[in-house]
This record gives sequence, structure tokens and C-alpha cells, in this order.
Amino acid sequence: EAQVTQNPRYLITVTGKKLTVTCSQNMNHEYMSWYRQDPGLGLRQIYYSMNVEVTDKGDVPEGYKVSRKEKRNFPLILESPSPNQTSLYFCASTPYIAGANNEQFFGPGTRLTVL
Amino acid sequence: GENVEQHPSTLSVQEGDSAVIKCTYSDSASNYFPWYKQELGKRPQLIIDIRSNVGEKKDQRIAVTLNKTAKHFSLHITETQPEDSAVYFCAAKGYQLTFGKGTKLSVIP
Repeated sequence: EAQVTQNPRYLITVTGKKLTVTCSQNMNHEYMSWYRQDPGLGLRQIYYSMNVEVTDKGDVPEGYKVSRKEKRNFPLILESPSPNQTSLYFCASTPYIAGANNEQFFGPGTRLTVL
Repeated sequence: GENVEQHPSTLSVQEGDSAVIKCTYSDSASNYFPWYKQELGKRPQLIIDIRSNVGEKKDQRIAVTLNKTAKHFSLHITETQPEDSAVYFCAAKGYQLTFGKGTKLSVIP
């Protein structure tokens, strides 16, 4: 089944404790991105990657890191989480075809609470 | 960068009535406008999209219109049903995909 998976789905942690949220897709998509969703603010892009070893900042990158060592995986790293990073996080992927626009496929979401 | 404004933030309609959600965008280079539906506790899912060379697109009870001159686009849902209740997001893609803040639609039986 074609899908985007994220782990963990729920995480409660404390300020300053490094964490990684994994994201994996099995559709051979080139483009992957991370969003955070907060009430009243919609979906805001954190980072995106257009292919292996190619990453760039989105609208709200502060406090986050990403890597893209393999095409299928795009982990989100919080080196020193703070309470303002408490949010619902979505990973998404889409095939990249020059000059075309395609549906983004979202993962199931990770609800993160930083105490 | 792109800025997408979405209105209203909440919308309540009686079952069977129509619902309209409107969005405006700022980047005239944007050329792709998808709409996503997010049910409670679930991921956003694409329901319809429109490209800049088309003025209107319809899929059963859902339609989207685009006015590139005015830089606005709208989602129309006719004959609403309780299962249409969800949060709807518009988005515009220029260089990157930018989402509106969402509209919570409640369909009252």
C-alpha cells in the first residue's frame, strides 16, 4: 500500500531532550516536507527536500533540523525542544515533475508535547 | 513569499444547503490551487485542485473557481451532508505550497 508513515504518533517529552520524528514513504517520491499545525494558524512548512541531500528551510525552521540521506526517509530532529514546539506535525511527500503540480500525500501526524 | 488568506474561519450550514469558502493569494506566479479536507484527528486529504489555466472545475458536489486577475479562488460544496463537516484548507503553489489557516465547516442535520 502506498503510504507515508511517521513515528512516533504521540510523544510527550521535556524541555531540552533531543528527539527525532521519523518519516518514510514508499512511493519513490522526490519531494518531502514537514509541517506543523497549530490551532488558528493552519499548516506551516518547517523544512522541505527536493531530493536526496537537498534540503531547504520553509516558513518556520527555527529549532528544527532535517536530513535526507535516502530518498524514502526524511527525519525531523529537535535538538533542544522547547514548549513552543508543542504541536501536531505532518510529514508529506509528492512526486516532483518539472513544470507540473501534484498532490501532497500526508502522513498520519505526530502529536508532540514538550513540558 | 506567498500569503494565503482564507475566510471564513468557521461556517455552519444546514444539511442540504450550500457552503462557500474563499481564499486570496498574493503571488501572481502561483499556478496551482489545491483544497484539502481534514477530518477530526486525521491527516489532510486532497479533495479537488485547479490549475491556473482553468477557471472552474467540478467534481460531483464540489466545485472550485479561480479568478487569476483578482487572485482569489473559492470552494463550493452543494447539498451539504453531515459527513462534509471538517476543516478545509486552501493552498496556493508558486515556488512552494502555502496553506490558508483553515475553515471549520459544521453541517447541522
